[in-house]
Amino acid sequence: GQNIDQPTEMTATEGAIVQINCTYQTSGFNGLFWYQQHAGEAPTFLSYNVLDGLEEKGRFSSFLSRSKGYSYLLLKELQMKDSASYLCAVRDTTNAGKSTFGDGTTLTVKP
Amino acid sequence: GAVVSQHPSRVICKSGTSVKIECRSLDFQATTMFWYRQFPKQSLMLMATSNEGSKATYEQGVEKDKFLINHASLTLSTLTVTSAHPEDSSFYICSARDPRGGWEQFFGPGTRLTVL
Repeated sequence: GQNIDQPTEMTATEGAIVQINCTYQTSGFNGLFWYQQHAGEAPTFLSYNVLDGLEEKGRFSSFLSRSKGYSYLLLKELQMKDSASYLCAVRDTTNAGKSTFGDGTTLTVKP
Repeated sequence: GAVVSQHPSRVICKSGTSVKIECRSLDFQATTMFWYRQFPKQSLMLMATSNEGSKATYEQGVEKDKFLINHASLTLSTLTVTSAHPEDSSFYICSARDPRGGWEQFFGPGTRLTVL
């Protein structure tokens, strides 16, 4: 099975940098996703890591260490609109490629 | 990115009735779609994997006779909540992967079901 842990809530200041951690224990691993979800809306894709290392995409970066079962999402130059829930999800090794989602981290950005 | 639609966006029904939710991939063909349920302030819980032309694969604890899934074409999957009860009230979201791209899932906008 899959076990995914993320902090429940985080608060940061506009313009700052925040790191959201995710640890996982899985029976099969085929990649890790980060999604952003605003309240009442569907999740949107942010990043996908399948190999170790850092993937940078604009203000957002994601890091993966498979040996440690660890990932983080780094958000730079925070904006008020970044206030949302951030979901870590692990893709399993089935052909369907289904993902198991963590409980999400609710990020609040304050002025 | 790829677009997934859901209909209806909101539905209110009486206890004991059945509700059908449609999930469509608009600009790609999806052999596999996923159905999730999300309760307030909780994460997505995978209910089932919908496979085009075959039976859906349900997650442990999800009643297949209560949540009927039909994936009749490469662009349409439906979830029918049968004999709905107030505890079935939730946010139902479908997703699909565009086989032309990566492994990320594209989510529909969700359906808010309220059972009175």
